[in-house]
Amino acid sequence: ELKVEQNPLFLSMQEGKNYTIYCNYSTTSDRLYWYRQDPGKSLESLFVLLSNGAVKQEGRLMASLDTKARLSTLHITAAVHDLSATYFCAVDMNSNYQLIWGAGTKLIIKP
Amino acid sequence: ETGVTQSPTHLIKTRGQQVTLRCSSQSGHNTVSWYQQALGQGPQFIFQYYREEENGRGNFPPRFSGLQFPNYSSELNVNALELDDSALYLCASRDLGNYGYTFGSGTRLTVV
Repeated sequence: ELKVEQNPLFLSMQEGKNYTIYCNYSTTSDRLYWYRQDPGKSLESLFVLLSNGAVKQEGRLMASLDTKARLSTLHITAAVHDLSATYFCAVDMNSNYQLIWGAGTKLIIKP
Repeated sequence: ETGVTQSPTHLIKTRGQQVTLRCSSQSGHNTVSWYQQALGQGPQFIFQYYREEENGRGNFPPRFSGLQFPNYSSELNVNALELDDSALYLCASRDLGNYGYTFGSGTRLTVV
C-alpha cells in the first residue's frame, strides 16, 4: 500500500527565512504533485514532477524529486506572508492518475 | 480561474439520507476523479472515471457511487449517509496529455 508522509505537519516561520518541506513515499512512483490550499478553499496546483532529478521553480518556491530516495522537497526562499497556506504533496498510484496524498504541512509566515 | 465547477457549495443532510453532488469539467477533460477531504486532513481518493467508465476506486464502500456523462459532467452519489461522511468533496478533472489535475472549489457536506 502506497503511503505518503509529509514533515513537518506544522511550520511557523518569520518572513525572510528559508525552509524546506519534505515528502516521503513508500513505493515506486514516477509522478509527484505539490498543491497549495488556503483555508476553506480548493486545491491549487503548484508543481508536477515527472522524473528523477526533476526540479521546478516558481517565484519563491522550488520543488525537487528524487525517485530513488522516494523523496520530494518543497523549498521556500525568503518567505513572505502571502505564502501562508497548507501545502500538500500527492503521489500517483500505479501511474493511473489516482493520487495518494500526504497529510499536509500547515505553514504560517509571520510578518 | 478554475475550469471545474461543483454544486452545491454547501449541503446539510440527515444521517441515513442520500445525497448527489455534481461536477462540471472543461470540454475535453475526459478523466474525472472525486476526493473526500475531512477537516485537517489530506484528500482521500474515492474513484475515477475515464470516458464514462469507472477505472479506479479507493477504499470507500459501495454506497459511494458515481457517474460520468458525455458532456464532461459527473456525479457523486452517497447513500445511507453517516456522520463520518461530513467532509469537503472535491472533483478534479484532467485532459489527455496533461499530467496535472484541475480541482473544483468543492462541496462542503455536513451530516447531522
